[in-house]
Amino acid sequence: GAGVSQSPSNKVTEKGKDVELRCDPISGHTALYWYRQRLGQGLEFLIYFQGNSAPDKSGLPSDRFSAERTGESVSTLTIQRTQQEDSAVYLCASSAQGDTEAFFGQGTRLTVV
Amino acid sequence: GQQLNQSPQSMFIQEGEDVSMNCTSSSIFNTWLWYKQDPGEGPVLLIALYKAGELTSNGRLTAQFGITRKDSFLNISASIPSDVGIYFCAGQLRGATNKLIFGTGTLLAVQP
Repeated sequence: GAGVSQSPSNKVTEKGKDVELRCDPISGHTALYWYRQRLGQGLEFLIYFQGNSAPDKSGLPSDRFSAERTGESVSTLTIQRTQQEDSAVYLCASSAQGDTEAFFGQGTRLTVV
Repeated sequence: GQQLNQSPQSMFIQEGEDVSMNCTSSSIFNTWLWYKQDPGEGPVLLIALYKAGELTSNGRLTAQFGITRKDSFLNISASIPSDVGIYFCAGQLRGATNKLIFGTGTLLAVQP
């Protein structure tokens, strides 16, 4: 597609449920990032995928968070047993190989009630 | 999570004024990027900087990559109401993967 696409755009879930967030990067982009943005806060790095290299998972806040990427395409971020503090906007970005200019999707707003 | 120090945290200015914001870090960066985020949207890339000392302009925006590689600033000249939003710096750590670390953001409000 023309840009980074994220789905759903909004998700309301009950505490304790699992959620899956999806990111479709720009076609041909080998690098993919996930960030978390709490209300009124900056972007908190979660995980980074680059081609076939092992992902950089250093930003994942707990073992309830995981992410997968199929080749150089779609990525899913999974949050298990959601907690209220997980409420935030989850942003995905992608960039071309060897290029650090990352382009963002519009994000998924997650609300845990 | 790891974030860059960005200041000021917020700015409230009159239309036509110039604006300056900056990011600093104790780490050395290979690349500095500046983004703008409108409410309900993802950040949009404004300027990318790749070399220490580099000064780059994009319309009314000017950004510089600090000589020490540990800081960067963004200037906006002759601000207009549509400049309202949150501005973020982002840096790629030297020697690391292409992981980008973001600043804490500067909220800009412009009064007509």
